[in-house]
Amino acid sequence: AAGVIQSPRHLIKEKRETATLKCYPIPRHDTVYWYQQGPGQDPQFLISFYEKMQSDKGSIPDRFSAQQFSDYHSELNMSSLELGDSALYFCASSSDGHSGNTIYFGEGSWLTVV
Amino acid sequence: SQQGEEDPQALSIQEGENATMNCSYKTSINNLQWYRQNSGRGLVHLILIRSNEREKHSGRLRVTLDTSKKSSSLLITASRAADTASYFCATDAELYSGGGADGLTFGKGTHLIIQP
Repeated sequence: AAGVIQSPRHLIKEKRETATLKCYPIPRHDTVYWYQQGPGQDPQFLISFYEKMQSDKGSIPDRFSAQQFSDYHSELNMSSLELGDSALYFCASSSDGHSGNTIYFGEGSWLTVV
Repeated sequence: SQQGEEDPQALSIQEGENATMNCSYKTSINNLQWYRQNSGRGLVHLILIRSNEREKHSGRLRVTLDTSKKSSSLLITASRAADTASYFCATDAELYSGGGADGLTFGKGTHLIIQP
């Protein structure tokens, strides 16, 4: 079965640069979530979208922005990168956006800021 | 503040034994999910238990939920070396009456090591 696809899988950027991560949800899933997991840490919720509208907001820095497009894929834009942004970024998707549906995660995108 | 707290933080057992991990949370929830993560890999969904359920089984997995104590446990029976991973509980807080894509709040995770 198709899973959540994230790209790129690995990304190296310098401080103050900009990075964009892409997420393609499972077909027919209309809800996308973004999470950040630092080394040895638990995943932290950043932001979610339901039917192309922002739905819930977590600990997403002001330097980051995200959107969900008409084909339901999502992009996370990160600007003015800092060393502390180095982490594994997960995208997840579910259907209907309603609580109670299983949320499926992608393999993640490794971002290293040097 | 941390919604989910798991214990133990690390657990090492022999292959074939049962492994039990616990999770506690603070607010009312709609459901609680357990995930497995191999080092540096994605989160694999294991099981979802709703707030009105007390126990759920899936293969060698058994999850319990006690909403009065705000706690859950994950039992893996007849453990295998391939079960070595970190296990996280994640809660979906009861913030919305319907609709909305609530973000999950994860616990710190239990690192399980199965020794052959």
